Amino acid sequence: SQTIHQWPATLVQPVGSPLSLECTVEGTSNPNLYWYRQAAGRGLQLLFYSVGIGQISSEVPQNLSASRPQDRQFILSSKKLLLSDSGFYLCAWSGQDRAPEKLFFGSGTQLSVL
Amino acid sequence: AQSVTQLGSHVSVSEGALVLLRCNYSSSVPPYLFWYVQYPNQGLQLLLKYTTGATLVKGINGFEAEFKKSETSFHLTKPSAHMSDAAEYFCAVMGTYKYIFGTGTRLKVLA
Repeated sequence: SQTIHQWPATLVQPVGSPLSLECTVEGTSNPNLYWYRQAAGRGLQLLFYSVGIGQISSEVPQNLSASRPQDRQFILSSKKLLLSDSGFYLCAWSGQDRAPEKLFFGSGTQLSVL
Repeated sequence: AQSVTQLGSHVSVSEGALVLLRCNYSSSVPPYLFWYVQYPNQGLQLLLKYTTGATLVKGINGFEAEFKKSETSFHLTKPSAHMSDAAEYFCAVMGTYKYIFGTGTRLKVLA
């Protein structure tokens, strides 16, 4: 069966520090991968998605970047965190084809930038 | 471009009462629509989805939603609320590779 792992679960970082959040998927090949951010009262904001290794689409210009070094690994990074980067970050995957596959979500990372 | 709008960021119902969470969509093509539920500090779980065919879709935990093209709506209902239904609910529409979510509705169930 497929599983998605996301870590860490919580993270407290000072302003200006770097960030690396990692997400891995097991039990499937060629998944579409997604990073979402959830801020209080603002729903889920799509940050990045990837349909293959090295292919990253950015939805919102911001202080973050994403990389997909391996088929089932998706990394969210920042060189210098801002206060506004605080939020709940969710990784998700879906099937590769265009059928309406459901999204499978990780358990999330609560990031607090102080 | 696709989008969804959820009316009401907070909804309160009494235990045993009808649950109605509203979602309107915008799409230039026939939409694929979803409802997800999120419990505190967790990821999202799929409740139900509409693709094609029957406009009344049944999901898990007794929830259902009806696709109404004329009203561009996909409202979520449950006949009788249970305390365990307290959570945040998200409507979503699928674009090309992308899933666009609404801002969410937090459901509170009163004893």
